[in-house]
Amino acid sequence: KAGVTQTPRYLIKTRGQQVTLSCSPISGHRSVSWYQQTPGQGLQFLFEYFSETQRNKGNFPGRFSGRQFSNSRSEMNVSTLELGDSALYLCASSLGYSGAQPQHFGDGTRLSIL
Amino acid sequence: GENVEQHPSTLSVQEGDSAVIKCTYSDSASNYFPWYKQELGKRPQLIIDIRSNVGEKKDQRIAVTLNKTAKHFSLHITETQPEDSAVYFCAASDTSYGKLTFGQGTILTVHP
Repeated sequence: KAGVTQTPRYLIKTRGQQVTLSCSPISGHRSVSWYQQTPGQGLQFLFEYFSETQRNKGNFPGRFSGRQFSNSRSEMNVSTLELGDSALYLCASSLGYSGAQPQHFGDGTRLSIL
Repeated sequence: GENVEQHPSTLSVQEGDSAVIKCTYSDSASNYFPWYKQELGKRPQLIIDIRSNVGEKKDQRIAVTLNKTAKHFSLHITETQPEDSAVYFCAASDTSYGKLTFGQGTILTVHP
């Protein structure tokens, strides 16, 4: 089976712009979770989607949003980018809910804000 | 919500030694505890997990122990090798609620 695929791998944006990141889960996986990884903060949970519905949300501002399509692919959008949004964004998929099943991570999208 | 504390933040050992990483959690309802290994520039990968109905689980050189009363769990790596060098993350969740909360990570360095 193909693993979790994230696109693009690298992205450079400027403050105020918006960005959309994509995640294709392992075939058959219905849950997709998104995490922000920074050197000082570790892995911070953004949100989880399961069968096209947002199931959980972390403590991030409303500028961070996401959605999931009927084929389980997910997108994450960040609007009005700030310097502090520079990070590695990881998505992970699992068969069932993210907290109950092993999660499989993608390679991430490294977002740099200038 | 759940809070997971992980110690130490860095750990340096000689090849062949054992390494132990400890995590504590706050939510007594948590019942699933996975450990992930992230090598430099790579994705996190699950190395072992344990559920609350089990006190210990072992997979070759890796073992995890869980103390539900004290709300802490630990990762034990025996006979460490240079390729064990990586960042290790613990996590905890209440499977009925479903959100994984990660610890801050431990940078393990194994010196040849």
